[in-house]
Amino acid sequence: DAGVIQSPRHEVTEMGQEVTLRCKPISGHNSLFWYRQTMMRGLELLIYFNNNVPIDDSGMPEDRFSAKMPNASFSTLKIQPSEPRDSAVYFCASSHGTSGQFTDTQYFGPGTRLTVL
Amino acid sequence: AQSVTQLDSHVSVSEGTPVLLRCNYSSSYSPSLFWYVQHPNKGLQLLLKYTSAATLVKGINGFEAEFKKSETSFHLTKPSAHMSDAAEYFCVVSGPRDDKIIFGKGTRLHILP
Repeated sequence: DAGVIQSPRHEVTEMGQEVTLRCKPISGHNSLFWYRQTMMRGLELLIYFNNNVPIDDSGMPEDRFSAKMPNASFSTLKIQPSEPRDSAVYFCASSHGTSGQFTDTQYFGPGTRLTVL
Repeated sequence: AQSVTQLDSHVSVSEGTPVLLRCNYSSSYSPSLFWYVQHPNKGLQLLLKYTSAATLVKGINGFEAEFKKSETSFHLTKPSAHMSDAAEYFCVVSGPRDDKIIFGKGTRLHILP
């Protein structure tokens, strides 16, 4: 298996632009997580899905952020409009989600490094 | 409420010597505890996890951790460090009701030749 796939690996954009990050989870996994990692705040859970349904989006920082999972093999995280403080590494992870949303092992993608100028 | 504290932001050890990365947690109920490792420019990888079974948990690459409820600790150890162990390590706590997952701030492990 190729593991969790994220694209792009790096994104540089200007303030005010729309940014879309993409994730393909491991086949057969039914839980998907989006995280943000910064020096100041560490690793934070933004939102997670189970069977393509958003379960908890309380970690999404504000309305500029949105996430979708139209099918079991694809998810997007969108920022519109982007701001310099959104600069971070964004990780997608997936898990089987059978024994519990967070107790199953999560498999992380390589991340997308976002820079907003 | 849950929280996790990694007591050291940086740890340096010589190759071949023991590794100790410290983690304390706070949880209102029986937690699940994890250690993940992140190598530079990579995603996180699970080292080991504790989910209310044996208190001494063995993981990959020779790492192990012991759940000590009385001390609310879940320290990560390895008998002999290898250069390839240089990375950032995250202690993670989650609850049985799936309402939270909390990552520690991370400990960067440096291996000296």
